[in-house]
Amino acid sequence: NAGVMQNPRHLVRRRGQEARLRCSPMKGHSHVYWYRQLPEEGLKFMVYLQKENIIDESGMPKERFSAEFPKEGPSILRIQQVVRGDSAAYFCASSPPGYITEEETQYFGPGTRLLVL
Amino acid sequence: DAKTTQPPSMDCAEGRAANLPCNHSTISGNEYVYWYRQIHSQGPQYIIHGLKNNETNEMASLIITEDRKSSTLILPHATLRDTAVYYCIVRVGGDKIIFGKGTRLHILP
Repeated sequence: NAGVMQNPRHLVRRRGQEARLRCSPMKGHSHVYWYRQLPEEGLKFMVYLQKENIIDESGMPKERFSAEFPKEGPSILRIQQVVRGDSAAYFCASSPPGYITEEETQYFGPGTRLLVL
Repeated sequence: DAKTTQPPSMDCAEGRAANLPCNHSTISGNEYVYWYRQIHSQGPQYIIHGLKNNETNEMASLIITEDRKSSTLILPHATLRDTAVYYCIVRVGGDKIIFGKGTRLHILP
């Protein structure tokens, strides 16, 4: 059973370009979380999605950032008009659908390292 | 803010048990204690979690005090590959993970 997959692993963009980061959850998982880790800082939550729904986007910057998790295909984190401050590692995590108790484990992917020149 | 307090760094000799403490004095009754680690900018790796009882798996053991206000992660025989930042997290399912600064564990040869 493959783990969480993210691509590309490394992405270089010039200021003003768009960045698209993809996350394929573990098989059978329908919840996806995105986190960002700025250089020398801790991981910060960005957004939580279930299939076709955004559940919590309290950590998303108000402008230029968007996320989706369509019925078919991977989750996409999209950053428009990138700036140097967007350079970071972006991690996604997935978890299985529904939980009988309040126990739910997130499993992380290897991350996408975005460098904005 | 993270609901946990961990020492910023610890050293452990290779082959010895590494005991990483965590305080979570404001933990709620339905919150679980989770441990993750991040090895040199890789994706966080799930280690173990528990609610009340002590837990053990192939990676580690988790000891939770009876009042649930603190816990200890035990790596029984630390190796150089266990060098990482270890995060103690309290949360309920379906909630985002709020990462603190964690403990940077150095395994000494």
